[in-house]
Amino acid sequence: EPEVTQTPSHQVTQMGQEVILRCVPISNHLYFYWYRQILGQKVEFLVSFYNNEISEKSEIFDDQFSVERPDGSNFTLKIRSTKLEDSAMYFCASSELGGRAANTGELFFGEGSRLTVL
Amino acid sequence: ELKVEQNPLFLSMQEGKNYTIYCNYSTTSDRLYWYRQDPGKSLESLFVLLSNGAVKQEGRLMASLDTKARLSTLHITAAVHDLSATYFCAVESQGGSEKLVFGKGTKLTVNP
Repeated sequence: EPEVTQTPSHQVTQMGQEVILRCVPISNHLYFYWYRQILGQKVEFLVSFYNNEISEKSEIFDDQFSVERPDGSNFTLKIRSTKLEDSAMYFCASSELGGRAANTGELFFGEGSRLTVL
Repeated sequence: ELKVEQNPLFLSMQEGKNYTIYCNYSTTSDRLYWYRQDPGKSLESLFVLLSNGAVKQEGRLMASLDTKARLSTLHITAAVHDLSATYFCAVESQGGSEKLVFGKGTKLTVNP
């Protein structure tokens, strides 16, 4: 069964360092997302990406964050200068159709990348 | 701004019992999702509810959606230990947004 894959599964970094989290969405999917979950809390939307550009981003997704799809298969989230409060599980998700479509637009989530900022 | 409230946040129940988790949301939406999350794991899609009155069942879980009341329920029938997990509802924002707004989750523990 096709799945969304994420690397690394766990990354530990020092505050102020740059981090890149990688995702390989399901191959025929067109919409890509990053969500994050601080330990024990709810899942929060960060950004959605379609047609090689950001379609929506949340207040959390400030100038320290960026996304790109460098090679048509990977979808990356970069945090330029990590802060302690960036420690969280980051989930990549993809959908065949966006939520606005008549079909389900169901999101499929990856296993997550746990980021620990020291 | 769309807000999603789940209750209860913690639920401890005995095997064999029935219970319902509630998900209320604050603004109009006709798409609601239920996910299961095991500790340290990803979000597993359980149900996608797309219209008013939608009801879906899978095993011991049944989900329903009332868009007029802005309420979804996840009903657990004859709980078993394997159902222990955290259950999230997520509502899709309308008005052109694609994002899902999640509830805080209900941590379910089923005791033998």
